[in-house]
Order: sequence, then structure tokens, then C-alpha cells
Amino acid sequence: EVQLVESGGGLVKPGGSLRLSCAASEFSLSNYHMNWVRQAPGKGLEWVSSISASGRFINYADSVKGRFTISRDNAKNSLYLQMNTLRDEDTAIYYCVGTYDPFDYWGQGTLVTVSS
Amino acid sequence: DIQMTQSPSSLSASVGDRVTITCRASQGITNDLGWYQQKPGKAPKRLIYSASSLPSGVPLRFSGSGSGTEFTLTITNLQPEDFATYYCLQYNDYPRSFGQGTKLEIK
Repeated sequence: EVQLVESGGGLVKPGGSLRLSCAASEFSLSNYHMNWVRQAPGKGLEWVSSISASGRFINYADSVKGRFTISRDNAKNSLYLQMNTLRDEDTAIYYCVGTYDPFDYWGQGTLVTVSS
Repeated sequence: DIQMTQSPSSLSASVGDRVTITCRASQGITNDLGWYQQKPGKAPKRLIYSASSLPSGVPLRFSGSGSGTEFTLTITNLQPEDFATYYCLQYNDYPRSFGQGTKLEIK
């Protein structure tokens, strides 16, 4: 079964760091445009960051620019999100999303809670 | 930045009804729009891409239309499993932006 599985979420204090990982199974990420999308508790969806299939082109939401870094390792079939200087408002479920039309795969999400 | 205005924010309907959800973009996005369905506790699922294309496996009662700045998602013959929250997403430019969501509830 085609899957994306996120890991690395958890409870962290404001100002702390976390690194999220997303591993693909039963398909190769190498052709896919990869994204991180988050959803704060009870709220809507928010795009966070994208990376092109080659890794050459990267974009971030203004709310995370300068604090988060997206990367990928096609050889390991994995996507990452390094999150630094975390704030209370970064608390959310983080989803890994792979898109290569017509295919669009989402992971189950990993919860990041930023709280003192 | 492109703003996506989605309406209505909530909608009550009955099984068998036809419903329409609208997204308006603050500037033209050609047909670079997708529609997503999210059920409680689950990841979103894409129903429509390129404004009107259905991925394999999505029921034909779902359809999308529009181009430029105005887009619609139509669901005909509502089924019990269709009661969920729906979002549009523009991917014409960065930053990507979602609509605020439409919660479809059973009347």
C-alpha cells in the first residue's frame, strides 16, 4: 500500500527545535513535489513549505521563513522539516504531502505541541 | 499573496441533495486549483485537481468547474459518507493558500 509516514513530533518548549521526518513506502518520492501542510487544533489547513522533485526549488510560508528548513533525500526516499525557534502558534498536526498529478498522497500527520 | 475566499463556511443538506461550494481567488490562477475533503481525525483527501479533473477512485458525483478567479465544487446525490469539511487550494503561485473550509453537515 502506498504510504507516507511522518515521525518526530512531540512536546517542545517555546524556543526549542524539532526535526520531522516523512518516509515513503511502496512508491518513489523522487518524481514528487513534496510539501508540509499543518493544521492547528480545530482550525483549517495551512501550507508551510514545498520542495521540488530535484530539491532545487524551495518555498516557505512567511510565518515559518527563517525558522524552518525543508529538505529531502531521494536516495532514502524521505522528506524532512527542521523546525527551530518554535513558537506557541506552531502547535499543529504536520502533514507530509507528495504530489505528482494525478497522484496526491498525504501522511497521517504528526502532532507538534509547543508549550512551556 | 493570493487569498482564497471560500463560501459558505457551513452548509446543511440531506442525503440525495445537490450542493455547491465556491472559492474565489484574489487574482487569476488559471486552473491551478484543487479541492480536498477532510473527515474528523483524518488527513485530507484530494477530490479534484486542475479545477475539474477527477483522480481515479473519486466518485463521479463530485465535479469541479471554473477558471481564473471563480471555482465551484459540486456534489450531486449526497451520500452519508460525504458529510465532511471541504477545502480549496490554489497552487498557481507561492505562498500556496487554502480556503477557510466548508463544513457540510447533515440536515
